[in-house]
Amino acid sequence: TQLLEQSPQFLSIQEGENLTVYCNSSSVFSSLQWYRQEPGEGPVLLVTVVTGGEVKKLKRLTFQFGDARKDSSLHITAAQPGDTGLYLCAGEDSNYQLIWGAGTKLIIKP
Amino acid sequence: DTGVSQNPRHKITKRGQNVTFRCDPISEHNRLYWYRQTLGQGPEFLTYFQNEAQLEKSRLLSDRFSAERPKGSFSTLEIQRTEQGDSAMYLCASSPQGLGTEAFFGQGTRLTVV
Repeated sequence: TQLLEQSPQFLSIQEGENLTVYCNSSSVFSSLQWYRQEPGEGPVLLVTVVTGGEVKKLKRLTFQFGDARKDSSLHITAAQPGDTGLYLCAGEDSNYQLIWGAGTKLIIKP
Repeated sequence: DTGVSQNPRHKITKRGQNVTFRCDPISEHNRLYWYRQTLGQGPEFLTYFQNEAQLEKSRLLSDRFSAERPKGSFSTLEIQRTEQGDSAMYLCASSPQGLGTEAFFGQGTRLTVV
């Protein structure tokens, strides 16, 4: 069974601080996606990384896919209260199925 | 097309009743997924359709759960004889076929079994 472990599970920091969320597995994924979910809503895709070592930037968010395509990280610079939410990673396996992490609940305090 | 649509948004039902949820995916997407999510957790895979064919069902999906996608367009998820443990958010997602495809989620149906 493929597992995708996310850490930390919960993070509460002050506005302006930096943070990193990790997504780790012993399995190789075809691609890895990061989503953000707000209460009462479905997850919304932020980015998809496909190539080992790939780095993508979305304003203050930097996403990296590990060289071996088994892990990924999300780094947020100068976090803002609007970044608050549940961040989910999902790895695509060879059957095009998404394997989901349990999520990181992020709270940014003003 | 305004994205994935789920109905109803909220459902409160008494234990033992049957409920049915509907999902209308993005029209050109041939893959459709159902997930269950409890508070603060990631989505938990339930089942998956490729067009009208149900290709995979989670072992978590008991016999009380059934899903259909009769014409390869909208899908329904029925829960029979609901139990309090069925209370959760039920999410539907659709995606096109191919590597690196992204799942587009509906807003979910929140089920509360009392």
